[in-house]
Amino acid sequence: NAGVMQNPRHLVRRRGQEARLRCSPMKGHSHVYWYRQLPEEGLKFMVYLQKENIIDESGMPKERFSAEFPKEGPSILRIQQVVRGDSAAYFCASSPGQGENYGYTFGSGTRLTVV
Amino acid sequence: AQSVTQLDSHVSVSEGTPVLLRCNYSSSYSPSLFWYVQHPNKGLQLLLKYTSAATLVKGINGFEAEFKKSETSFHLTKPSAHMSDAAEYFCVVIYSGGYQKVTFGIGTKLQVIP
Repeated sequence: NAGVMQNPRHLVRRRGQEARLRCSPMKGHSHVYWYRQLPEEGLKFMVYLQKENIIDESGMPKERFSAEFPKEGPSILRIQQVVRGDSAAYFCASSPGQGENYGYTFGSGTRLTVV
Repeated sequence: AQSVTQLDSHVSVSEGTPVLLRCNYSSSYSPSLFWYVQHPNKGLQLLLKYTSAATLVKGINGFEAEFKKSETSFHLTKPSAHMSDAAEYFCVVIYSGGYQKVTFGIGTKLQVIP
């Protein structure tokens, strides 16, 4: 079991470009969560998805950010027209079900640097 | 509103001495409590979790934490620090109700001096 796989590990983008972050959940996990870690801050919830559905995107910025979890393939967090303030570590977690009793397994994160 | 406070942003200990990383939470409900560790440029690894069973929880790498409801605390301890323990530690609280109530502390960076 490979765990939660995120790629790329490091991503550098120029201002105005698009960033695509990928997350493959653990085998058997159908719930995916994205978090953002800004310097000197804790992790902040962004979005919660199940296969083909966005369940809660209350933590997502209203513009430029979107997420999907298609029937086949990894979950994608997409940031359009990146700005310096988007530089952060983005973590994905997965669980087999909703709720704290199932536990959350985190990936190693993608570190986005906007130059 | 739920919150979690890690009282020290940096802790420095000598190798072989005890480690204490402090965490307090606020809650009207019984939470589930976790400690995660993050080594430089690595992901988050679960150290231990409390889910209303025994109040003293043992985790990996010799760490343990004690849930004290009267003090709303869940401090992380280890009797003897090792160089490999140098990392950032996050106290995490999950309140009944699910995912978006996963609340992270801001983290404590542990430095271990040889």
